[in-house]
Amino acid sequence: DADVTQTPRNRITKTGKRIMLECSQTKGHDRMYWYRQDPGLGLRLIYYSFDVKDINKGEISDGYSVSRQAQAKFSLSLESAIPNQTALYFCATSGTGGPEQFFGPGTRLTVL
Amino acid sequence: GESVGLHLPTLSVQEGDNSIINCAYSNSASDYFIWYKQESGKGPQFIIDIRSNMDKRQGQRVTVLLNKTVKHLSLQIAATQPGDSAVYFCAEKGGSNYKLTFGKGTLLTVNP
Repeated sequence: DADVTQTPRNRITKTGKRIMLECSQTKGHDRMYWYRQDPGLGLRLIYYSFDVKDINKGEISDGYSVSRQAQAKFSLSLESAIPNQTALYFCATSGTGGPEQFFGPGTRLTVL
Repeated sequence: GESVGLHLPTLSVQEGDNSIINCAYSNSASDYFIWYKQESGKGPQFIIDIRSNMDKRQGQRVTVLLNKTVKHLSLQIAATQPGDSAVYFCAEKGGSNYKLTFGKGTLLTVNP
């Protein structure tokens, strides 16, 4: 079974709709991250959380919000989706053993 | 601002040859570096890491070299195989936090 799972894997939505992407992990890690990946721009950090009560903005947080429901769950919301939020979204985790991050399989989001 | 970059966006090699993928970084405070492999339709997968107090680290068929003088990182893949075809990212961690900054990636294509 995958250690980091994301749902849905693919989503097509319309401008103005609210969208939630979910991430779950069985690695027991405290730290969780949300990234978006665009062609030619690499991975950019949206939000991160170092424990259940900790939420921090990344470099591109505008238009996004997050919720850390439990140690194992970290969800990303787009309150009112717009076309330039079309991208591949990745959740990642890291533990106290080191800074390396472990990624989920990604969610491909298309906003029409 | 600080950035992590790659010298070549694409690299094409013959099966069995050695591959070298390069990465330049500009944050002199970075103390940890990672190489990730991302296959089509999948999330980034950890390959190998190196701390700034080292200049070389070897794994299975892979070697990472770190030159702090010129702020350069490289990933060497020995006897490249078709299964090595993917996008390779370097990432750096600067200072005491656990955030990673990612490069844009190099697409490695292995020709049979």
